[in-house]
Amino acid sequence: QQQVKQSPQSLIVQKGGISIINCAYENTAFDYFPWYQQFPGKGPALLIAIRPDVSEKKEGRFTISFNKSAKQFSLHIMDSQPGDSATYFCAASHGGGNKLVFGAGTILRVKS
Amino acid sequence: SQTIHQWPATLVQPVGSPLSLECTVEGTSNPNLYWYRQAAGRGLQLLFYSVGIGQISSEVPQNLSASRPQDRQFILSSKKLLLSDSGFYLCAWSQDSPLHFGNGTRLTVT
Repeated sequence: QQQVKQSPQSLIVQKGGISIINCAYENTAFDYFPWYQQFPGKGPALLIAIRPDVSEKKEGRFTISFNKSAKQFSLHIMDSQPGDSATYFCAASHGGGNKLVFGAGTILRVKS
Repeated sequence: SQTIHQWPATLVQPVGSPLSLECTVEGTSNPNLYWYRQAAGRGLQLLFYSVGIGQISSEVPQNLSASRPQDRQFILSSKKLLLSDSGFYLCAWSQDSPLHFGNGTRLTVT
């Protein structure tokens, strides 16, 4: 049972553009929402994370927007660069634990 | 600093053969340890997690098992591999947040 739905499956963005990836969750007990970035042949690495007490978190060019009532959260990559080309996963967990439930992933390609 | 080692990086095994993948963590004690499997288009699926030596929780019934013989060692095993066991296997550790992954093992069962 997929508890976190991620879209789109793949995304092509021009260099300098904005990349937007969306996730929706079902379990209202989730209280931790991280995004992971994965390059080919590597394990995923934490990119940015948010908790439901805030609606937005920004770190450099990466921003998470969180809508608790809609049970949705999204990743925005501003000024997208070819080096951002990777697979991005959203995830969620509850109780402060790390039994993360992952979305299916989005393959991002930034064209130069 | 903490590091996680996972090996081998790639593995090709025939159907019916045994499997042993090893993961070790350095620079921390009593971490929570996890095995995930990544299949194309299906994200990361949690297979096993452990909160201490000898304590293993299975998330998905399957042909695999896990063991934690030492505090910072986590092993994924199978007695007889199936074709459906092919995939990218990732070990991870945590102490509170966040979750840190190794670089994975690409397993191909032929």
